[in-house]
Amino acid sequence: DSGVTQTPKHLITATGQRVTLRCSPRSGDLSVYWYQQSLDQGLQFLIQYYNGEERAKGNILERFSAQQFPDLHSELNLSSLELGDSALYFCASSGKGGGLAAYNEQFFGPGTRLTVL
Amino acid sequence: DAKTTQPPSMDCAEGRAANLPCNHSTISGNEYVYWYRQIHSQGPQYIIHGLKNNETNEMASLIITEDRKSSTLILPHATLRDTAVYYCIVSHLLNTGFQKLVFGTGTRLLVSP
Repeated sequence: DSGVTQTPKHLITATGQRVTLRCSPRSGDLSVYWYQQSLDQGLQFLIQYYNGEERAKGNILERFSAQQFPDLHSELNLSSLELGDSALYFCASSGKGGGLAAYNEQFFGPGTRLTVL
Repeated sequence: DAKTTQPPSMDCAEGRAANLPCNHSTISGNEYVYWYRQIHSQGPQYIIHGLKNNETNEMASLIITEDRKSSTLILPHATLRDTAVYYCIVSHLLNTGFQKLVFGTGTRLLVSP
């Protein structure tokens, strides 16, 4: 158990819909990362937040957005869903500060499996 | 971002050492080498990381060549539970001071009895 929790575990929805995935980081971790893992693309970094602010952006679509709240939990919003958005979405957390602490390892949650029909 | 090259698959007998190679010839001086593994569809699990010195922890050892262009992850006594996909990653340091991990396709390690 990494200490990172994600809800829901599974999500089935239809094309065109909008969903919200939730992540609670390990106690004390200030950074939250979102990743998408699909069969054909592997594990792709989407976005990172540190203490409520966006710090790094990867291959995140404009239809996707995220935020980190004052209690440090994070949500990933996926809208206008397409069949190709079906994937495992992982959240990870790390670190208790910036600078050299940015090299801390990331702890991954169990993931949310999204199926778009 | 520095790229990594790993063999797509490897086999190892239970109880033997598993040596997983990784090539990262374009690595920069301030980029770290990280190793993660993923068992089935679980979340990736951190194993070890290093900059230029060899590192060891309770899970594995990391050997980085002097020119830092390649590294080897060593699982000293592989067990069946070590069957997983192993990812070698070169962290990309952003100007914000934070790192970005770019996962490749990894090596699928199969440990057999």
